[in-house]
Amino acid sequence: SYVLTQPPSVSVAPGQTARITCGGNNIGTKSVHWYQQKPGQAPVLVLYDDSDRPSGIPERFSGSNSGNTATLTISRVEAGDEADYYCQLWHTNDHWVFGGGTKLTVL
Amino acid sequence: EVQLAQSGAEVKKPGESLKISCEASGYSFTRDWIAWVRQMPGKGLEWVGIINPSDSETRYSQSFQGQVTISVDKAINTASLQWSSLKASDTAMYYCARQLVAANAFDIWGQGTMVTVSS
Repeated sequence: SYVLTQPPSVSVAPGQTARITCGGNNIGTKSVHWYQQKPGQAPVLVLYDDSDRPSGIPERFSGSNSGNTATLTISRVEAGDEADYYCQLWHTNDHWVFGGGTKLTVL
Repeated sequence: EVQLAQSGAEVKKPGESLKISCEASGYSFTRDWIAWVRQMPGKGLEWVGIINPSDSETRYSQSFQGQVTISVDKAINTASLQWSSLKASDTAMYYCARQLVAANAFDIWGQGTMVTVSS
């Protein structure tokens, strides 16, 4: 089965840039999506197809995907960005696969 | 406004059956696939399965195949997830989510249904 690996936690000071990685075998050949989940709330799609933003998602959220790593980048981090972030992709055998999630802490 | 409204929290005993629902509004229900995602307490997201409301074609995660059943009722724009015999390990939050038309991502999520199975 296809495995997506995320760091359990990332910490960043307000105003700085946060980078959350998602590792997978040849992930650069697949389309990766990212979700934000705040405590007690449903997930929200923040990026799809590696780097496209749904309506209403700030330009501070961007993404890249190459080789064995996809990355979600959050620029000018705000306190309100503190949340769990999950990567996800569609794989032929496993269908929809989620990473284990990364807790973003804003210091 | 596009919305998915889920049924309320449930508390059940092991061995009991259960059906939870997800009502769609604000868009053409039969156009987009609807998925179910499990989140066990304090854990991450797991894809359960997905259904095409147009023809009821269904796909399941290998982890959930045979454990749950996904269905739709087009007349009331509602997708459902059901269990015939619950286990304590089914205790979790369950979300429904709409698959984005142009990508294999889930763009609209329900608010979640908490299922608690305890004797």
